[in-house]
Amino acid sequence: QVQLQESGPGLVKPSQTLSLTCTVSGDSISSGSYYWNWIRQPAGKGLEWIGRLYTSESKAYNPSLNSRVTMSVDTSKSQVFLKLNSVTAADTAVYYCARALVGSGSMPLEYWGQGTLVTVSS
Amino acid sequence: QSALTQPRSLSGSPGQSVAISCTGTSSDVGGYSYVSWYQQHPGKAPKLMIYDVDKRPSGVPDRFFGSKSGSTASLTISGLQAEDEADYYCFSYAGTYTWVFGGGTKLTVL
Repeated sequence: QVQLQESGPGLVKPSQTLSLTCTVSGDSISSGSYYWNWIRQPAGKGLEWIGRLYTSESKAYNPSLNSRVTMSVDTSKSQVFLKLNSVTAADTAVYYCARALVGSGSMPLEYWGQGTLVTVSS
Repeated sequence: QSALTQPRSLSGSPGQSVAISCTGTSSDVGGYSYVSWYQQHPGKAPKLMIYDVDKRPSGVPDRFFGSKSGSTASLTISGLQAEDEADYYCFSYAGTYTWVFGGGTKLTVL
């Protein structure tokens, strides 16, 4: 069974960099068959797509966050990473990683982690 | 890139049918048949219910039906059940390798 687990600091100071890790188990992260996504959700609000990584060379980001976001992968550790710099209180949210199967334009997000809450506060 | 427009809330009685709309533009919903739908119960991660407008993943009941007309996609739930009470989000390809969620709809089963 595929499992995704987000981890990282729960508290980040304003203007600093938010760094999260998504650890994948139950399947190979390097099969080339999947997109790895980050999505966030502020408390009581809707979902926001942050970005998608296919390979280290193939990434796509939400235009509204593009200048602050970096996604990367370490296939040897089965981990996908998210970095969001210059954070403000508006970046406070539950952050999810999710896997989508390559081959559908909908990019169906089949598997999700349970999410991790990141609070931006001094 | 703006969020797709969904009704903030809908309600229905058990056994009834409800349709949740998701309105975008020709740059997203209207331009591609790449819409998916997610169900989210409180405190839980979202669950994929529909993809490619009208395809159901295995395990999703056939009470859930997806469709699209022009720039509006819809998720119809027939034979409403108590466990269908949740938030629902549409998700569409928006061109140039970007995707966008709808604002979400809170479905209440009366």
